[in-house]
Amino acid sequence: DGGITQSPKYLFRKEGQNVTLSCEQNLNHDAMYWYRQDPGQGLRLIYYSQIVNDFQKGDIAEGYSVSREKKESFPLTVTSAQKNPTAFYLCASSARDRSSYEQYFGPGTRLTVT
Amino acid sequence: SQQGEEDPQALSIQEGENATMNCSYKTSINNLQWYRQNSGRGLVHLILIRSNEREKHSGRLRVTLDTSKKSSSLLITASRAADTASYFCATDPPQGGSEKLVFGKGTKLTVNP
Repeated sequence: DGGITQSPKYLFRKEGQNVTLSCEQNLNHDAMYWYRQDPGQGLRLIYYSQIVNDFQKGDIAEGYSVSREKKESFPLTVTSAQKNPTAFYLCASSARDRSSYEQYFGPGTRLTVT
Repeated sequence: SQQGEEDPQALSIQEGENATMNCSYKTSINNLQWYRQNSGRGLVHLILIRSNEREKHSGRLRVTLDTSKKSSSLLITASRAADTASYFCATDPPQGGSEKLVFGKGTKLTVNP
């Protein structure tokens, strides 16, 4: 069953702690993305990676970090430097061969920091 | 920065009616896509229309694109309660490439049974 998995679905952390959100895909996609969604808002791009061992900052990268050591995995760390980390985080992937521009999304992780 | 702006922000209709959502954008695009998001879930791709296309159909969905007005519309015909969701347009600016879709804020559609 191909797709993208994100875990956990809900995550609670105390202010000042770093937290890592997991994203795994078995679609053999080269490109992967992290988005943040706030209530009633659209998606804002945090980081994206077009190939293993390479990634670029999106529009709101401050306070976040990523790694791309394997094609299948693109974990996102929300650091204590992120001023307002409570949000819904979505991971996505897409093919890079231009046969399809569609992005495939995971189910999301809702992070609450208190 | 958000390029696409959906209109209306919220739409409530009765089952069986048609639902029309609009998207306006600011800069030129390669493609425009529509996605659907059920509450608390990830987005699901619905349809893509290329900049050289004017209209596209997929089942009960009809998408139009007017590049001169920098706008697109999504029509859902004969709506069902299961169509209740938020709908987002996403544009693919030429300078960003398809790797950097820019999403609007969405239209929240409620279909009442």
